Amino acid sequence: KAGVTQTPRYLIKTRGQQVTLSCSPISGHRSVSWYQQTPGQGLQFLFEYFSETQRNKGNFPGRFSGRQFSNSRSEMNVSTLELGDSALYLCASSPSSREETQYFGPGTRLLVL
Amino acid sequence: AQTVTQSQPEMSVQEAETVTLSCTYDTSESDYYLFWYKQPPSRQMILVIRQEAYKQQNATENRFSVNFQKAAKSFSLKISDSQLGDAAMYFCAYFSGVYSGGGADGLTFGKGTHLIIQP
Repeated sequence: KAGVTQTPRYLIKTRGQQVTLSCSPISGHRSVSWYQQTPGQGLQFLFEYFSETQRNKGNFPGRFSGRQFSNSRSEMNVSTLELGDSALYLCASSPSSREETQYFGPGTRLLVL
Repeated sequence: AQTVTQSQPEMSVQEAETVTLSCTYDTSESDYYLFWYKQPPSRQMILVIRQEAYKQQNATENRFSVNFQKAAKSFSLKISDSQLGDAAMYFCAYFSGVYSGGGADGLTFGKGTHLIIQP
């Protein structure tokens, strides 16, 4: 089976812009979770989507949003980018919402200038 | 809220030797799962090993094994016969087994341990 894929792999944006990141889960996986990784805060949970519904959300401002499509692919959107949004954004998939083992994609590196 | 602590920011080991990475966690739950993930320079997070809290037997995956001490809330990773390819950041992670009705709460990660393999 193909693994989790994320596009784009690298992205440079300027403050105030918005950005959309994409994640395609492992075939058959219906749950997609997003994480932000920064040197200062480490790995933090953003949100989880299952059956096109956001099931839970971490402690992030409303500028961070996402959605999931009927084929389980997910997108994450960050509006009004700030310098502090520069990070590695990781997507992980699992078969179901309560499946504890998550498999990660290669990540998208976002640099905000 | 659960917390995961990795007290060793960096560890170094000679190739072919054994190294143990430490992890402690804090939770009031009795049903949970623990993981070790490896993140090499490529930044891809790779699952190394998982442990169910309800299982007393320590998990083992080839050269990787854990020492799970539930009462002490300790979950260490032992890497035997260290290889150059083991060099990476290692993250300990917690996942709640308690279903709150709102879906998964996500993994809670420690800050990581940078493992260096000396040839």
